[in-house]
Amino acid sequence: DAGVTQSPTHLIKTRGQQVTLRCSPKSGHDTVSWYQQALGQGPQFIFQYYEEEERQRGNFPDRFSGHQFPNYSSELNVNALLLGDSALYLCASSLAGPQGRVAYGYTFGSGTRLTVV
Amino acid sequence: QQQVKQSPQSLIVQKGGISIINCAYENTAFDYFPWYQQFPGKGPALLIAIRPDVSEKKEGRFTISFNKSAKQFSLHIMDSQPGDSATYFCAASRGDSGAGSYQLTFGKGTKLSVIP
Repeated sequence: DAGVTQSPTHLIKTRGQQVTLRCSPKSGHDTVSWYQQALGQGPQFIFQYYEEEERQRGNFPDRFSGHQFPNYSSELNVNALLLGDSALYLCASSLAGPQGRVAYGYTFGSGTRLTVV
Repeated sequence: QQQVKQSPQSLIVQKGGISIINCAYENTAFDYFPWYQQFPGKGPALLIAIRPDVSEKKEGRFTISFNKSAKQFSLHIMDSQPGDSATYFCAASRGDSGAGSYQLTFGKGTKLSVIP
């Protein structure tokens, strides 16, 4: 049973560039959330996608955007990269419960390590 | 504003000892409190979780104690083993009204080292 798959595992970008990170949710899951984990910190919520729509958003600028596809996979896009965007980006999937409310159970991927130079 | 405060930052415990990690939260709307374990190069994995209507939950060697009035909860790892060496995060979430879901607010983490 495949868990959450993220690609690429590592990425180096130059300041000002744009980056796209990809996530395939765990089989049977339909909701994808993205988190940013800076070195030595806990993950911080970026946004969540359900039914191909952004349902919730954390305190991140519009440079961070996303998309969910009909097969539930998702992309995270970051424009105009800053040095401070260097972090581990985690994708977490879950299964929505009744009325679209997500059940309490995330499965995290191993993340994409983004380094901005 | 940090909504979940976790301590200590690091912890060294002898094999067979008890590891205790504490968290405090501010938002009384939080209604779900999970603990995650993260090994280097991996994503966080759910260890155990509790809701505020229960004061304690035990799963194997792992126990969560919850004090709603103090807005605190803690993780106890009994008979700690070298394989438990990892970073542990407490988290909290609240349900949102309407269609949608919940987001996790994490503490800053505790690096646990269990020495033989």
